[in-house]
Amino acid sequence: DTAVSQTPKYLVTQMGNDKSIKCEQNLGHDTMYWYKQDSKKFLKIMFSYNNKELIINETVPNRFSPKSPDKAHLNLHINSLELGDSAVYFCASSQGSSEAFFGQGTRLTVV
Amino acid sequence: AQSVTQPDIHITVSEGASLELRCNYSYGATPYLFWYVQSPGQGLQLLLKYFSGDTLVQGIKGFEAEFKRSQSSFNLRKPSVHWSDAAEYFCAVGARNAGNMLTFGGGTRLMVKP
Repeated sequence: DTAVSQTPKYLVTQMGNDKSIKCEQNLGHDTMYWYKQDSKKFLKIMFSYNNKELIINETVPNRFSPKSPDKAHLNLHINSLELGDSAVYFCASSQGSSEAFFGQGTRLTVV
Repeated sequence: AQSVTQPDIHITVSEGASLELRCNYSYGATPYLFWYVQSPGQGLQLLLKYFSGDTLVQGIKGFEAEFKRSQSSFNLRKPSVHWSDAAEYFCAVGARNAGNMLTFGGGTRLMVKP
């Protein structure tokens, strides 16, 4: 029943590793997003993606890449993880310009 | 580029008291505006939104917000706070022409005294 679901909820990994976070939405929305929430609770957009267009926040390192196998999924791949990547990552979706629905978040800890 | 400022990092109110959380935005056109709430360890839940029309919008859990174009503000209010309202509150502006991406304020942590 969960509208936007992310897995895993917690992810602990070592520096230099490559990891992925999965996101699925069952709302039939046409646009999906990834947001990063840092330790001070500040939320920042990373990507916006629909089946026509990927918009990347220019501040996002190219080690981060979104991959969408279909309209309902937008996974986040992170290469060569760094300590500063530790954060909570939120997936969200929306239909057109309507409000975004957020997942529960994935807490990534890089050690 | 758009921006959102929430001037109050922390606010403490007594249960039953009224609440107002401030939000100021910067955006070149008529904005989409949102208030989200985040409980500890949880995702973000939409409280209310403004797209157009009536500048006073009603949301869930007894919250309301008023869009004031002249002041570039979208303050959140509740007449009587409940202990369960303790959470982090985020104001956000939506970019109509950039993939509908949201720009968030820094958040206001609300604490409720019994």
